[in-house]
Amino acid sequence: EMQLVESGGGPVQPGGSLRLSCAVSTFTVSTNYISWLRQAPGKGLEWVSVIYSGGSEYYADSVKGRFSISRDDVNNTLYVHLQMDSLRSEDTAVYFCARGSRTATFLPVFDYWGQGTVVTVFS
Amino acid sequence: DIQMTQSPSSISASVGDRVTITCRASQTVGTWLAWYQQKPGQVPKLLIYAASTLQSGVPLRFSGSGSGTEFTLTINSLQPDDFASYFCQQASDYPLTFGGGTKVEIK
Repeated sequence: EMQLVESGGGPVQPGGSLRLSCAVSTFTVSTNYISWLRQAPGKGLEWVSVIYSGGSEYYADSVKGRFSISRDDVNNTLYVHLQMDSLRSEDTAVYFCARGSRTATFLPVFDYWGQGTVVTVFS
Repeated sequence: DIQMTQSPSSISASVGDRVTITCRASQTVGTWLAWYQQKPGQVPKLLIYAASTLQSGVPLRFSGSGSGTEFTLTINSLQPDDFASYFCQQASDYPLTFGGGTKVEIK
């Protein structure tokens, strides 16, 4: 079964940067649409970004220009990174990476999720 | 951006009840809609995609319907394991967007 493991979260001051990473274990399973999503404390889900295997990237309006997604294959493990710059207090959340599936859907829905990594932006 | 509005935001129900949750889109999303369940401290679980297709392993008491801008998630004969929050997500256009969630609580 596919496993996704996030890392890189932690406390950061407003205006600072963090780089989150998602290690995807089952590289042979389709990993075409790995996404980052987040959930602020006590709040709902918010999609953040997706990267396609071909390199296309899409972002939520709230992070466009501040966050950047990338992917690389290291020793048969897929890593998807989220570079987060100019962080704001409203970016405080649990950040999940998830596998997007487009089986019978136009755009991705998310069938495998990591456990999440906590980002806290505080002054 | 497509706005997704869920109602109600919370519902109190008893084991055995039928529960219906509504999700409305600010513009048509066809049938490109998914539903998720999330329990406290856990990651979301995909229940339904393409508005009405049950994800593998999801109990048959869950069902989804709708198209265009209005969708429903129905839980027939609510079970103790079903007390959770439920979210809809449109998969029609970027940015992908979620509804605000519906918390199903024990009456």
